[in-house]
Amino acid sequence: RKEVEQDPGPFNVPEGATVAFNCTYSNSASQSFFWYRQDCRKEPKLLMSVYSSGNEDGRFTAQLNRASQYISLLIRDSKLSDSATYLCVVRSMNRDDKIIFGKGTRLHILP
Amino acid sequence: NAGVTQTPKFRVLKTGQSMTLLCAQDMNHEYMYWYRQDPGMGLRLIHYSVGEGTTAKGEVPDGYNVSRLKKQNFLLGLESAAPSQTSVYFCASSYPDSGSGNTIYFGEGSWLTVV
Repeated sequence: RKEVEQDPGPFNVPEGATVAFNCTYSNSASQSFFWYRQDCRKEPKLLMSVYSSGNEDGRFTAQLNRASQYISLLIRDSKLSDSATYLCVVRSMNRDDKIIFGKGTRLHILP
Repeated sequence: NAGVTQTPKFRVLKTGQSMTLLCAQDMNHEYMYWYRQDPGMGLRLIHYSVGEGTTAKGEVPDGYNVSRLKKQNFLLGLESAAPSQTSVYFCASSYPDSGSGNTIYFGEGSWLTVV
């Protein structure tokens, strides 16, 4: 099993729709979880951290399921500007502080 | 706020040439990282550093060397460039993870082509 797995997509979604991404991780000792957004030819930027109780930021909701070792990202009322690649990031709090990036899920919002 | 700054942004090298990519951060972060990103491969860790004077190998270290002489700087060297090292290189930095989810900050990337 890969350390962090994401569906590569692309997800082609009409504007205004709701879209959900899942990400699974293999290391049960992982402590911190993030969703990053990467636009074409740009650096990854933090979209949101993912907390155990789940958290929401505007149209974006992130959930963590430690028992099943997956995190999710829900985007409601999608906008054209949401088109990007979404990276799942898992960080382990140990001596090496390993940070593992998923390969990303591409999202295309269609007008 | 400069954040993480990489130089140069673009470079074309001939096979066998050497070069150094510089990463500088002004956030007093302990940890710094060098990644490369190739189409369909995602971000792959080359080398990283958990503090001034320390470096460690990541997932794909061969053909690269690094140095962290100052806390704010992390240098990535290519001693003898090969076409397989054509890629986009990202530097990143962060505080150690305390379990509260410290963010990883990225530079804007350095586009390197080896011909």
